[in-house]
Amino acid sequence: GAVVSQHPSRVICKSGTSVKIECRSLDFQATTMFWYRQFPKQSLMLMATSNEGSKATYEQGVEKDKFLINHASLTLSTLTVTSAHPEDSSFYICSAAIGSLADTQYFGPGTRLTVL
Amino acid sequence: AQSVTQPDIHITVSEGASLELRCNYSYGATPYLFWYVQSPGQGLQLLLKYFSGDTLVQGIKGFEAEFKRSQSSFNLRKPSVHGSDAAEYFCAVVGYNNNDMRFGAGTRLTVKP
Repeated sequence: GAVVSQHPSRVICKSGTSVKIECRSLDFQATTMFWYRQFPKQSLMLMATSNEGSKATYEQGVEKDKFLINHASLTLSTLTVTSAHPEDSSFYICSAAIGSLADTQYFGPGTRLTVL
Repeated sequence: AQSVTQPDIHITVSEGASLELRCNYSYGATPYLFWYVQSPGQGLQLLLKYFSGDTLVQGIKGFEAEFKRSQSSFNLRKPSVHGSDAAEYFCAVVGYNNNDMRFGAGTRLTVKP
């Protein structure tokens, strides 16, 4: 199956700093990438949908100025958590697809963010 | 309200025994239905999906799921579990308009030798 990588796998930062997470589709060109957040022992929550070359679409309740998404190419999307606070600590997961939510998504292994 | 429910947080089965993981949904119309598996350190992997047609869906790794409209359920089954099946399993739905994806809370499967 297709491979999606995320970098870094784990990051610890101080409160007030910004953190960038990269999501790459390694062996295919993804028209759409999705960003999820997973709280401990809870489900995944879709944060935003990102299409190459256009602005991301954010789910209700997700602050677009807090979670900046850039989809620079068909193989790379980045999520920047700006001015991070402890409540932003979470597991962030990306997925890549050729199409929409209902098409097969290939998930990255996730990034554990801890904000001190 | 639209929702996905996995009633069992944690299930333990013996190796070789059969498995059924439950999933119920509440949506205005029949959504697209998925089962994913998440192993530690790895990304979610699609096991199977249902869009329409035959209500019994075959997936990878010997899994199958049955869509029952009358019960709003999409339960995952496997006739004989292996130790390598120990993981977290998520049921997910996508709205008929191809938006609004929701995941269940997950069921953690432990396999006893």
